[in-house]
Amino acid sequence: QKEVEQDPGPLSVPEGAIVSLNCTYSNSAFQYFMWYRQYSRKGPELLMYTYSSGNKEDGRFTAQVDKSSKYISLFIRDSQPSDSATYLCAMSVISSGSARQLTFGSGTQLTVLP
Amino acid sequence: NAGVTQTPKFRILKIGQSMTLQCAQDMNHNYMYWYRQDPGMGLKLIYYSVGAGITDKGEVPNGYNVSRSTTEDFPLRLELAAPSQTSVYFCASSPHPGQSYEQYFGPGTRLTVT
Repeated sequence: QKEVEQDPGPLSVPEGAIVSLNCTYSNSAFQYFMWYRQYSRKGPELLMYTYSSGNKEDGRFTAQVDKSSKYISLFIRDSQPSDSATYLCAMSVISSGSARQLTFGSGTQLTVLP
Repeated sequence: NAGVTQTPKFRILKIGQSMTLQCAQDMNHNYMYWYRQDPGMGLKLIYYSVGAGITDKGEVPNGYNVSRSTTEDFPLRLELAAPSQTSVYFCASSPHPGQSYEQYFGPGTRLTVT
């Protein structure tokens, strides 16, 4: 079993739709939860992060973490064609070491159709 | 700031050849990372460094070597290239431990070993 599971898609939605992207994980020690966005043939870029459980909102994006279910979600409201990308979830434990290693999901490819 | 830069962008190697993937960052980050990304497999950590002269293995270090002589540069060496090393390689950096959930990625090097 992978530590982080993510539905690879592809997911195709019409412009303006609400998009829900999800990851599940097995390591209960994960405390930091991130969403990275990766455009085609580019490096990933951090979109949002959440510490422990709860919700975080940033514009059209909302990240949710449910540690009891080991489940995290990213919601995109009023989706735009410019949101078309691969979305990677990533997780990290709090460690005494100074470098925080991230465990990534395999990514969900999203296409928003105009 | 150029951020994280990687060279070359593309490379084709024959089995058994060696090469060095270059990575540099101009953000004065102490922490640097090398990942590989295979289709549908997410990002896997190869090596990381917490500062000049200090490196450590990640999840998939076999077949690779790194060095870190300066804060800015973190080259990745492939010895005796094998087809299994065909992948996209990303270098990343992050600032001090309190913010190391945010990693800044380079544009990647696409490597094919035939």
